[in-house]
Amino acid sequence: GAVVSQHPSWVICKSGTSVKIECRSLDFQATTMFWYRQFPKQSLMLMATSNEGSKATYEQGVEKDKFLINHASLTLSTLTVTSAHPEDSSFYICSASQSTGGRGDTQYFGPGTRLTVL
Amino acid sequence: EDQVTQSPEALRLQEGESSSLNCSYTVSGLRGLFWYRQDPGKGPEFLFTLYSAGEEKEKERLKATLTKKESFLHITAPKPEDSATYLCAVRGSSNTGKLIFGQGTTLQVKP
Repeated sequence: GAVVSQHPSWVICKSGTSVKIECRSLDFQATTMFWYRQFPKQSLMLMATSNEGSKATYEQGVEKDKFLINHASLTLSTLTVTSAHPEDSSFYICSASQSTGGRGDTQYFGPGTRLTVL
Repeated sequence: EDQVTQSPEALRLQEGESSSLNCSYTVSGLRGLFWYRQDPGKGPEFLFTLYSAGEEKEKERLKATLTKKESFLHITAPKPEDSATYLCAVRGSSNTGKLIFGQGTTLQVKP
């Protein structure tokens, strides 16, 4: 149980284009989803937290107009990187949990999406 | 400020050589300490959640323990397939839902 999928697993795009990444919880309803970014040899950096039906909460320093997050249903969240540039190239990982902050709440991670911007 | 420090950064073991990974933390009102395993190019895989000092959990060759200041991930008789980066994270009462991650320990087990 607790399976989270991401699509696509990798994407290569030209500078200036937009890229959408999907995150789905396959066997549970995710009240909260999180988006992380990970650089080589580094730990995960939280970008934003999203609750179903609400606007995402972005971490300090993350441009909300560049990284658009939509959590339209209890099983789907999307991250759109708008007008991507080479510095946006990274490994993007989503996670999902059934509740927020309560005991028993665990974040389950997707397999990640490798974005390369040329 | 909530903080997590993992040590060592890297660990090389021979197959069968038991060892421990350390996760030291500072958090306001611990609401859970989490261990994950991450293989290269993949997302983290959940291993354990610990909530209170003295709690222990086991899974195959792994055993996680928790005190008020740190957690240990004990690996007994590791195999090459245990090679991965092990991440520790905490959730505090001031960070609703958020996890604060350590930098990870990269474990290599040689046959």
